[in-house]
Amino acid sequence: DAGVTQSPTHLIKTRGQHVTLRCSPISGHKSVSWYQQVLGQGPQFIFQYYEKEERGRGNFPDRFSARQFPNYSSELNVNALLLGDSALYLCASISDNTGELFFGEGSRLTVL
Amino acid sequence: DAKTTQPTSMDCAEGRAANLPCNHSTISGNEYVYWYRQIHSQGPQYIIHGLKNNETNEMASLIITEDRKSSTLILPHATLRDTAVYYCIVRVPWAGGYNKLIFGAGTRLAVHP
Repeated sequence: DAGVTQSPTHLIKTRGQHVTLRCSPISGHKSVSWYQQVLGQGPQFIFQYYEKEERGRGNFPDRFSARQFPNYSSELNVNALLLGDSALYLCASISDNTGELFFGEGSRLTVL
Repeated sequence: DAKTTQPTSMDCAEGRAANLPCNHSTISGNEYVYWYRQIHSQGPQYIIHGLKNNETNEMASLIITEDRKSSTLILPHATLRDTAVYYCIVRVPWAGGYNKLIFGAGTRLAVHP
């Protein structure tokens, strides 16, 4: 079975640009979460989507948005990029039965 | 803020048991203790979880004190591949639809030959 897949794995953007990160959850999982991990810190919760609806939002500015598609894949969008947005962005697929989180390998964003 | 406190770093000799402590003095009665680890540049990996009884799986053992204010993750025979950052997290049971993990800074475990 395929695990959680994220794309792209690495990308470089400049300040003011926008970025779209993509995530495909484990087959059968209807919920995904997004986390931001700045170097040297633990992951910080950004969003959770369940059955295509937003179910939770962390303390992030409105520049951050996300959506979930009918096939349960998800996109994270960040507008007007700042240097401080440089981080590893992690997507987690959540088991419907147990609530366990299975993380992807992440998308590493560098903002110059 | 994270509801857990962990040592910043620990060392362990290969083949020996690694005992990673975690304090969660404000844990609620329905909150579980979860452990994840993150090997460099990879996504966090689930290790084990428990409510109040000790738990064991193929990766590790989890010992939770009777008052549930602290716990210890035990890797019985640490290998070099266990070098990682270990996160202790408390969370409410999965209620369907909402599941947020609050990560602290974790414990950086270094296993050396």
